Parts: sequence; structure tokens; C-alpha cells
Amino acid sequence: QKEVEQNSGPLSVPEGAIASLNCTYSDRVSQSFFWYRQYSGKSPELIMSIYSNGDKEDGRFTAQLNKASQYVSLLIRDSQPSDSATYLCAVILGNQGGKLIFGQGTELSVKP
Amino acid sequence: DAGVTQSPTHLIKTRGQHVTLRCSPISGHKSVSWYQQVLGQGPQFIFQYYEKEERGRGNFPDRFSARQFPNYSSELNVNALLLGDSALYLCASSLSTSTDTQYFGPGTRLTVL
Repeated sequence: QKEVEQNSGPLSVPEGAIASLNCTYSDRVSQSFFWYRQYSGKSPELIMSIYSNGDKEDGRFTAQLNKASQYVSLLIRDSQPSDSATYLCAVILGNQGGKLIFGQGTELSVKP
Repeated sequence: DAGVTQSPTHLIKTRGQHVTLRCSPISGHKSVSWYQQVLGQGPQFIFQYYEKEERGRGNFPDRFSARQFPNYSSELNVNALLLGDSALYLCASSLSTSTDTQYFGPGTRLTVL
């Protein structure tokens, strides 16, 4: 089992719809969870961090964390073509300090 | 404030050569981490440095080494390059270690021929 897993996609949604991106992780002791966006040929850009169970909202983005189920998700409301990118879930597992473990990424395509 | 900077942007080397990649963190950040990203995969952790000391090392061969300088900038060195070392090398900056958010630089695209 991979330490961090994401649906590889591609995920295609129409403009204005809600995009839902999912991620599961293996280490129950994990404390820190991050979502990054990566455009083709560019470096990862932080969207959001989340540390506690529940929802965290920032503009059109909502991160959801459920530690009991070892599950973290990202919802993008009112999706725009400019949201088309690869979304990377990253976790700091257990007590492994600052070592980010990434999923393989989910490619999102928002169709006008 | 400037973000994380990396140099060079692109690099082409041949097998067996060595390469040095450089990174300057965000002002005030004392930790630098290095990641390798091959096409189609998420970044893989190589090293983390904090206050000039190695705080973590990923599953990479000894051909990979790094160091951090008193001004918190960092170098990643790769010796005896292999074709499989072709990747995007990312530097990430954070205030310290543990759970701090890491901010990525633009990366260095290394091609080994």
C-alpha cells in the first residue's frame, strides 16, 4: 500500500461545477496535510494546509480532513478553466519531521 | 519579499558528470528541503536541512549529497549522473522543520543525455 494515494484521473468537470479531489494516507499518526496545485512545467504551489478534523475554507477551496478514516479531500467550487492543473496531496507522516510524502497527483480538466 | 529562488533553471549534462544545484530560501526561513520529481509522479523527498544540519534523508543513493550554508542557502550535488536522474529538482523553504508549511521554488530541470 502506498503511503499517500490519490485518484490519478484525469478528472473532467464543466465550468462552474464542483470538483472533488480525494486522498488517503496510511499512517494514522499523521498530523499535517497539504494540497498543492501544479501547472504543467511549473513547480507546486500551496493551496491550503489543514491540521484538524473538519472543514477549512479559503475562497472557492475547501479542504476536508477525517483522521479516523485517514482521508483528506479538496473541493473546488465554481470551477474555472484556469483551475485545470494537477493537484497534489501531501502528508507529513507520523513523526517523520518535515518530510512531505506526496500522492501521484490528480489531473483536473475544467471544460468551458 | 522574494520567494524561493533556484539556479540554474535548466541544465543538460551527460552520463557520468556531476551537477550542483542551488537554492535560496524565503527570507527568515531556516529550513531547506530538496525533492526530485520525475514526469507523471509526485515529488520524492531527498534531503532536509535546518540550521546547517541534515535533519532527514530520503531513499536516494550516496551519489546525492547536499549542504546548507550560514545564510541558509543550500546546494544539492549529484555525482556520476545516470539517465534516470533526469527530473525536475525542487527546493522547498520552511520556517523550521516538523509540521511547517513548505513553499517551493521554480525548480531546476535536469536532463541527462
